[in-house]
Amino acid sequence: EAQVTQNPRYLITVTGKKLTVTCSQNMNHEYMSWYRQDPGLGLRQIYYSMNVEVTDKGDVPEGYKVSRKEKRNFPLILESPSPNQTSLYFCASSQTGDNQPQHFGDGTRLSIL
Amino acid sequence: KQEVTQIPAALSVPEGENLVLNCSFTDSAIYNLQWFRQDPGKGLTSLLLIQSSQREQTSGRLNASLDKSSGRSTLYIAASQPGDSATYLCAVIWSNDYKLSFGAGTTVTVRA
Repeated sequence: EAQVTQNPRYLITVTGKKLTVTCSQNMNHEYMSWYRQDPGLGLRQIYYSMNVEVTDKGDVPEGYKVSRKEKRNFPLILESPSPNQTSLYFCASSQTGDNQPQHFGDGTRLSIL
Repeated sequence: KQEVTQIPAALSVPEGENLVLNCSFTDSAIYNLQWFRQDPGKGLTSLLLIQSSQREQTSGRLNASLDKSSGRSTLYIAASQPGDSATYLCAVIWSNDYKLSFGAGTTVTVRA
């Protein structure tokens, strides 16, 4: 089954404790991206990647890191999480060049105390 | 600045009425535009994607139009049903940098 898988789905942690949210897709998609969704602010793109070893900042990259060492994986890293990064996070992927739709994961709800 | 706007933020209609959802964007240089549905606490489901060269796309009761020159897209849902109650989001991929921007969404309630 074609899917985008995020882990964990839920996480409660404390300020400053490094964490990684994994994202994996099995569709051989080139384009992958991360979003956060906050009430009143909607969905905002954090980082995106057009292909392996290529990453670019979205609209709200501060406090986040990403890497794209393999086509299928695009982890989101919070080196020193802070309470303002409490949010609902989504990973997505799509094929480029063929105008294919974005496929979204089920989301990760992060609470940083 | 490249932005996507959806108005109204919320809409309530009786069952059977046709729904018209609006999306506007500030730059006509788009790669594509996509409409999504999001149920409370859930992820996003892709409804329709319109390529920049297209004027409309249809799927069942859904029809989406695109007018790049005026920076607008409209999602029509015919003969609405209570199961159509959800938040509808439009998203644009900009052709200059392939960033993706979402509108804030329109929350639809269809009353039985």
